[in-house]
Amino acid sequence: DAGVIQSPRHEVTEMGQEVTLRCKPISGHNSLFWYRQTMMRGLELLIYFNNNVPIDDSGMPEDRFSAKMPNASFSTLKIQPSEPRDSAVYFCASVLQGYTEAFFGQGTRLTVV
Amino acid sequence: AQSVAQPEDQVNVAEGNPLTVKCTYSVSGNPYLFWYVQYPNRGLQFLLKYITGDNLVKGSYGFEAEFNKSQTSFHLKKPSALVSDSALYFCAVRDRSGGSYIPTFGRGTSLIVHP
Repeated sequence: DAGVIQSPRHEVTEMGQEVTLRCKPISGHNSLFWYRQTMMRGLELLIYFNNNVPIDDSGMPEDRFSAKMPNASFSTLKIQPSEPRDSAVYFCASVLQGYTEAFFGQGTRLTVV
Repeated sequence: AQSVAQPEDQVNVAEGNPLTVKCTYSVSGNPYLFWYVQYPNRGLQFLLKYITGDNLVKGSYGFEAEFNKSQTSFHLKKPSALVSDSALYFCAVRDRSGGSYIPTFGRGTSLIVHP
């Protein structure tokens, strides 16, 4: 298996633009997480899906952020409109139910100028 | 509620010396505990986990960790450090009794191994 696949790896966008980050979890995994990593705040959980259903989105910073999981093999994290303070590395991770450890993608480095 | 503390932002060690990266945790019930490593510009990679049983857990790349329930600790150790071990290390906890699969991560400890 190729592991968790995220795209793009790098994204540079202007303030106010819409940004969409994509994630393909490991086949068969039924839990998916979106995390954001910054120097100031470390690794923050944004949202958690189980069987494609959002279970906990309390970490989503504000209404500008939204996440979807239309099927078991794809998820998106959208920021609209983007702001410079959204600049961070965004990670997607998946877990197979019944197991314990999460597997992370390579991350998307987002820079909003 | 569950939480993790990694009290050291940075650990420096000479190559060949033993290393320890500290982690303490708090959970309502019994914990699942994890260590992950992050190399520059990469995602987190799973190193090892404690589920149940033997308190000493062995993982990838010669790392091991000891679960200490009375001290609520899960320190990461390696007998002989390599320069290539230099990376960011994260401890994580998940409450075994909860229905959620959400792990809580510490802030990370930067390990620097000097030649």
